[in-house]
Amino acid sequence: GENVEQHPSTLSVQEGDSAVIKCTYSDSASNYFPWYKQELGKRPQLIIDIRSNVGEKKDQRIAVTLNKTAKHFSLHITETQPEDSAVYFCAASMNRDDKIIFGKGTRLHILP
Amino acid sequence: DAGITQSPRHKVTETGTPVTLRCHQTENHRYMYWYRQDPGHGLRLIHYSYGVKDTDKGEVSDGYSVSRSKTEDFLLTLESATSSQTSVYFCAIIVGNEQFFGPGTRLTVL
Repeated sequence: GENVEQHPSTLSVQEGDSAVIKCTYSDSASNYFPWYKQELGKRPQLIIDIRSNVGEKKDQRIAVTLNKTAKHFSLHITETQPEDSAVYFCAASMNRDDKIIFGKGTRLHILP
Repeated sequence: DAGITQSPRHKVTETGTPVTLRCHQTENHRYMYWYRQDPGHGLRLIHYSYGVKDTDKGEVSDGYSVSRSKTEDFLLTLESATSSQTSVYFCAIIVGNEQFFGPGTRLTVL
């Protein structure tokens, strides 16, 4: 089955700097890659997703890149702000309705 | 919140007792999912359902069973709870373009 690896497990960046979180997946049949943000004590919430027919997608300060050949994808957050502090999860699936396999998460700390 | 609720929200129980968690949706969606979340493990899929009476196992299904007798309800049962099942349990459905999570149930097995 699918296996998703996520790095780093913890990341601290100065406010205003960029943060990058990287994930790899094992099943070449996966073609849907969502990213979720979870604030303390709350539910995970989708922040951006990408499908395999696209190499990059951007939404304001957040971007995701996908390399299907290498089976890895990354989340980029630019101009980080205090409210970006949270746990971020990458995930992979064959499609939106199919079972989604998550990485173990990255705890992002934005330092003042 | 997108028509998905979980009950109870918190539960403390003893080892060996049966426990049932309920997920209720008002979206009339076909797919429903149960995950558990533990520190260092992220979110792991327990079981999922793709329709009434249609369910399948996820990554960590041992010790859990599910039932879906009607579209709106997806029940997760721990037949005999163990301390290793202490966790936060999330139900999820598809809303729009995303898999939307319920508020979660914090289960403690003593």
